[in-house]
Amino acid sequence: GAGVSQSPRYKVAKRGQDVALRCDPISGHVSLFWYQQALGQGPEFLTYFQNEAQLDKSGLPSDRFFAERPEGSVSTLKIQRTQQEDSAVYLCASSAGWVQETQYFGPGTRLLVL
Amino acid sequence: DQQVKQNSPSLSVQEGRISILNCDYTNSMFDYFLWYKKYPAEGPTFLISISSIKDKNEDGRFTVFLNKSAKHLSLHIVPSQPGDSAVYFCAASGDRGSTLGRLYFGRGTQLTVWP
Repeated sequence: GAGVSQSPRYKVAKRGQDVALRCDPISGHVSLFWYQQALGQGPEFLTYFQNEAQLDKSGLPSDRFFAERPEGSVSTLKIQRTQQEDSAVYLCASSAGWVQETQYFGPGTRLLVL
Repeated sequence: DQQVKQNSPSLSVQEGRISILNCDYTNSMFDYFLWYKKYPAEGPTFLISISSIKDKNEDGRFTVFLNKSAKHLSLHIVPSQPGDSAVYFCAASGDRGSTLGRLYFGRGTQLTVWP
């Protein structure tokens, strides 16, 4: 595909349920970022992958959040035992290299935890 | 603590006029700045960027100005068009204390261009 894709686009979860969000980056892109965007806020960094290596997970809000990119392409963000404060849009972005380059964003997954 | 600030949550401009969106930052290590545009239910779309070695970058109707001493940047859109109506995010990177490409975003400015 031409751009970054994410699925599902919308997810409603009951509190305590586990969810998995998928990101397909632009083919060949080395770097992959996850961001969380709360209502009325700008995106906030969660974690960073360079190929399959997770080099920075300092933005993950708790140990309920886990991300992986096992083959250096598709990435999954998993949230265990979801809480209402996890409700947000989760954005994935990829860039071609590993230095400062333009990041291209997917459409996001809107998660609502009831 | 918000390291990138967009103090105007909204801006309304008539079609054909200039739109000026402002952004301030606090971290002097930032050396790469970007503007993204976001329509509802879509992800942010890259618009224009500037490196700290420059003070101006132009791309068609869009120009970004950087004032490092004031830690301030602005996006000028001339002439503004109704299709420019969107939320504009300012972002910065370069904090050597964290992942180099990690972006720090402002809260966004909703631009409305009316006919």
